[in-house]
Parts: sequence; structure tokens; C-alpha cells
Amino acid sequence: EPEVTQTPSHQVTQMGQEVILRCVPISNHLYFYWYRQILGQKVEFLVSFYNNEISEKSEIFDDQFSVERPDGSNFTLKIRSTKLEDSAMYFCASGQGDDTGELFFGEGSRLTVL
Amino acid sequence: GNSVTQMEGPVTLSEEAFLTINCTYTATGYPSLFWYVQYPGEGLQLLLKATKADDKGSNKGFEATYRKETTSFHLEKGSVQVSDSAVYFCALDSSYKLIFGSGTRLLVRP
Repeated sequence: EPEVTQTPSHQVTQMGQEVILRCVPISNHLYFYWYRQILGQKVEFLVSFYNNEISEKSEIFDDQFSVERPDGSNFTLKIRSTKLEDSAMYFCASGQGDDTGELFFGEGSRLTVL
Repeated sequence: GNSVTQMEGPVTLSEEAFLTINCTYTATGYPSLFWYVQYPGEGLQLLLKATKADDKGSNKGFEATYRKETTSFHLEKGSVQVSDSAVYFCALDSSYKLIFGSGTRLLVRP
């Protein structure tokens, strides 16, 4: 069964460093997403991406964040200068954009900022 | 804007007990509704969904009915197992993205 894969599963970084989280969405999906879950809290929408551009972003997705689909298969989230409060689980998701609205999630990348 | 409200947890039950986790939503129109489950240390998995009013989604003994009159999508299971211990998220489809509730932790004791 096709699945969304994410790497790394866990990354530890120093405050102020750049981090890139990678995702391989399901191949025939058209919509790609990043969500964030701070430990024990709700799953928050960060950004959606369609047709090689951002279609929507939340207030959380400020200038420190960027997304890219560099090669037609990978979908990356970059945090330019990490802050302590960026520590969270980041989930990538993809969807077909059909009537059901169903999204398929990866297992997440845990980011720890020290 | 669109939003989802879930009952707060944790919910602690004994094995074979009946489960209800309440979920209500606010939305324009009639969005698709979902329950996702997150087992310890894992990502989000779709548990069930309903795409229109009066639809009943079901999977693994869990059920939820899309009630537009009460704007609800409560999750139920007749007899829970220890392996059902997880966090359950109610969600709705809003303009090609999902909006999640805050999640409800379920703990089932033997």
C-alpha cells in the first residue's frame, strides 16, 4: 500500500541552526501538507502546497519557514533559524484533492531544539 | 472560521466497556468528517470517515455518524480493548486541508 515517508525520524539541533525535514508523498497525490504537533497538544496546520506553490499557510508559518518540491518526488520543510519553541513533531501529509478530503500522513519527524 | 471541538480527556475505561468520544464542529456547508487515531510513538492513521450528512463511518468496531442537525460526529465503540489505547482526533475538511480537534486520549485498562 502506498505510504508517505518522512526523514529523519528524529533530529536534534542547536537553536539558530537550519533544519530541513524531508517527505516523499504518495506518488499520484496533488496536494501536500505540513502539520505540527507540539508534545501533548493538538495537530496544527502549517502549510499546503499545490501545483508547485503554496496554496495556504497558517500564522505559524512565518518567514523562518519555507517549503519546496525540488525534484517532483520530495517535499521539504526548511526552518532557517530554529527556536526552542520549534521543538515538535512535524507531520507531512498528501492528498488527491478529491471530494472526500482524506489526507494520508507520514509517521512524523521529531525535532528537538536545544 | 471552521473548527472542531472534542471532549477533553483522558478517558479511562476498563476493557469491554462502551466508548463515546464527543466531537462537534462548526463549518460552512457540509464538510467531510474524519476520525484519526495516533497510537503511542506513531503518526496519524485514518480510522474512519463520513462525507455527507447521515453517513456512518465504521472501522475496527468503531462507528461515527455524521449528524448535521446537531453538527456532531461522535465516535463510539461497543467494547474497547487494551490495544485501543491511543489519542483520537476528530477532523473536518476545510478548503483542501484538515482542521483537527485537540485530541482525546483513551486509556483502556485490563
